[in-house]
Amino acid sequence: EAGVVQSPRYKIIEKKQPVAFWCNPISGHNTLYWYRQNLGQGPELLIRYENEEAVDDSQLPKDRFSAERLKGVDSTLKIQPAELGDSAVYLCASSLGFRDDEQFFGPGTRLTVL
Amino acid sequence: AQTVTQSQPEMSVQEAETVTLSCTYDTSENNYYLFWYKQPPSRQMILVIRQEAYKQQNATENRFSVNFQKAAKSFSLKISDSQLGDTAMYFCAFRGSWGKLQFGAGTQVVVTP
Repeated sequence: EAGVVQSPRYKIIEKKQPVAFWCNPISGHNTLYWYRQNLGQGPELLIRYENEEAVDDSQLPKDRFSAERLKGVDSTLKIQPAELGDSAVYLCASSLGFRDDEQFFGPGTRLTVL
Repeated sequence: AQTVTQSQPEMSVQEAETVTLSCTYDTSENNYYLFWYKQPPSRQMILVIRQEAYKQQNATENRFSVNFQKAAKSFSLKISDSQLGDTAMYFCAFRGSWGKLQFGAGTQVVVTP
């Protein structure tokens, strides 16, 4: 069974530029998560999708971050414009359901904003 | 709000030895889950072990075991017979009734030959 796929693995951009990350969850997983992991810290949830609906986006900085999950499968997380403080690893995870199901993580995208 | 605290930034252990990682958490909930995740340099978070709070028996997965003390809100991970492949960041995580995972800051484990 294929795991969670993310691309790109690395991205270097200058501040004020836009950037997008892509995630393909495990087939059949209805719940998809985007986390941000700052250096030396644990991941923090940005947004959770149940199928195509964003049901928890309270930690997403909505002035510059946006996300979508068209057709309830793949998802894209966008930052526009990027700031220096956005440098982090962005992890995508998926699970069958929400409350009691194990979350499977992708390898993440390491973003560096110069 | 729940908080998860890992007070050991780094632990070093020799191959075949045992190392114990500490984790404490704060919650007012009675039913919840606790997890230990491993994150090697490849960055992929891998579930090591999980514990349901309603179960008194400590979870065990091969060389990994936990010491769950519900009253003390403590959840330590013991790695026995350490192997070089165990070198990684280890994160303790809490999931309560809302289902949201809350992670600690992590402990870097270095296994030396």
